[in-house]
Amino acid sequence: GQSLEQPSEVTAVEGAIVQINCTYQTSGFYGLSWYQQHDGGAPTFLSYNALDGLEETGRFSSFLSRSDSYGYLLLQELQMKDSASYFCAVRESGSYKLIFGSGTRLLVRP
Amino acid sequence: SAVISQKPSRDICQRGTSLTIQCQVDSQVTMMFWYRQQPGQSLTLIATANQGSEATYESGFVIDKFPISRPNLTFSTLTVSNMSPEDSSIYLCSVEMVRDSYEQYFGPGTRLTVT
Repeated sequence: GQSLEQPSEVTAVEGAIVQINCTYQTSGFYGLSWYQQHDGGAPTFLSYNALDGLEETGRFSSFLSRSDSYGYLLLQELQMKDSASYFCAVRESGSYKLIFGSGTRLLVRP
Repeated sequence: SAVISQKPSRDICQRGTSLTIQCQVDSQVTMMFWYRQQPGQSLTLIATANQGSEATYESGFVIDKFPISRPNLTFSTLTVSNMSPEDSSIYLCSVEMVRDSYEQYFGPGTRLTVT
C-alpha cells in the first residue's frame, strides 16, 4: 500500500521561506507531485519530481530524494495569498492513480 | 491545460435520495477520476473512469453506491445513491492530460450535504 506523511499545519511570516516535508512509503513509485488548494477551491498542480534533486518554478521549488523516500516543497518570499493547503501525492506504479498525503495547512501572517 | 466544470456546485439532499454530478471537460481526455474530500481533509479516490470501459473502483467504493458513466471523451457523471449523512462531502472530478504527464486538473467540486 501507499502512505504519505506531512505536517498538519505550518505558520510563517510574510516574506519568509517555508519548507513543507513529505515522507512516503510505496510499493512502487513514479514520482512525487505537489498540489495547492485554497479554501473552497480546487486543487491546482504545482510541481512534479520524477528524479532526485531540486525543481524550481518561480518562488516554489520541490525536492525529491528517492533513496530517503522523502521530498519537500519550498516556498520563498511568502505572500499572504500562499495561505492554503498543500498536498503531496505519489503516482502508483502501473496506473494513473494519485495517492494524496494528508495535507499541510500553511498560514502566512503579516 | 484543461477547463473543467461541474454541476451542481452544491446541493442539499434528503437521505435515501440520489444525486447525479456532472463533469464536463473542454477537451478530449482519456483518463478521468472522481474524488471525495471531507472539508479540511485529504482527497480520496473513488474511481477511475475511462471512456468505453467500466469504471475501476477503489477499495471501499462500490458501483451500486457510486455508479459512473463515461459516454464520451469530454463528459462523465457520478451518482451518489441512497444517500446518508455520511455521504456529505465535496466531490471532485479530475482529468489527466496525457501529453502533460503526471499533472491532473481538477473541477471546482460539488459540495453535497445530506440531511
